[in-house]
Amino acid sequence: GDSVTQMEGPVTLSEEAFLTINCTYTATGYPSLFWYVQYPGEGLQLLLKATKADDKGSNKGFEATYRKETTSFHLEKGSVQVSDSAVYFCALSAPYGGSQGNLIFGKGTKLSVKP
Amino acid sequence: NAGVTQTPKFRVLKTGQSMTLLCAQDMNHEYMYWYRQDPGMGLRLIHYSVGEGTTAKGEVPDGYNVSRLKKQNFLLGLESAAPSQTSVYFCASSTSVHRTEAFFGQGTRLTVV
Repeated sequence: GDSVTQMEGPVTLSEEAFLTINCTYTATGYPSLFWYVQYPGEGLQLLLKATKADDKGSNKGFEATYRKETTSFHLEKGSVQVSDSAVYFCALSAPYGGSQGNLIFGKGTKLSVKP
Repeated sequence: NAGVTQTPKFRVLKTGQSMTLLCAQDMNHEYMYWYRQDPGMGLRLIHYSVGEGTTAKGEVPDGYNVSRLKKQNFLLGLESAAPSQTSVYFCASSTSVHRTEAFFGQGTRLTVV
């Protein structure tokens, strides 16, 4: 079935460090891919998305490229800030699979950025 | 601009008690969802609705019921709460199911003792 696998956390970085959070997926057909972010005590909010192969989603300095050949959607940021501390979720929506297009989430990666 | 509002934000139940979680959205979205979030498990879909008067089971529906009598509201019920239902519950809504952003509420932290 449709599934998302993302790197285990927690991840602890110093401010201005480079961030990569790996995400790979299994899905029927051509899913849409998303990164959501959850700040402490809040609900999830969309960070970026890509809907077809080779698309690059970007927002707030974060980027991720939809790689169909490696079934991956890794999240990157060149220089993290303390305010980026949060839990990051990779997700997919696959309309022709068993999940019927509903969002399927990875387990989340907690990022802590130290000053 | 309220978005998705969940009521209550916190609740403690005794085993066997019942309760209803309310989700309200003001964006005229057709699709609404209930998820539960558990440590190390990510978010798992409990039930969802593709429009007023419709509901469908998600990945982990057992022990829960839902109703969507009005387009803007989606209710999640626990008839007989169990400690395994201790979790953080999130409601979300979207305009359609594919390629579109889902908007989430702030969550309800439920503890069953």
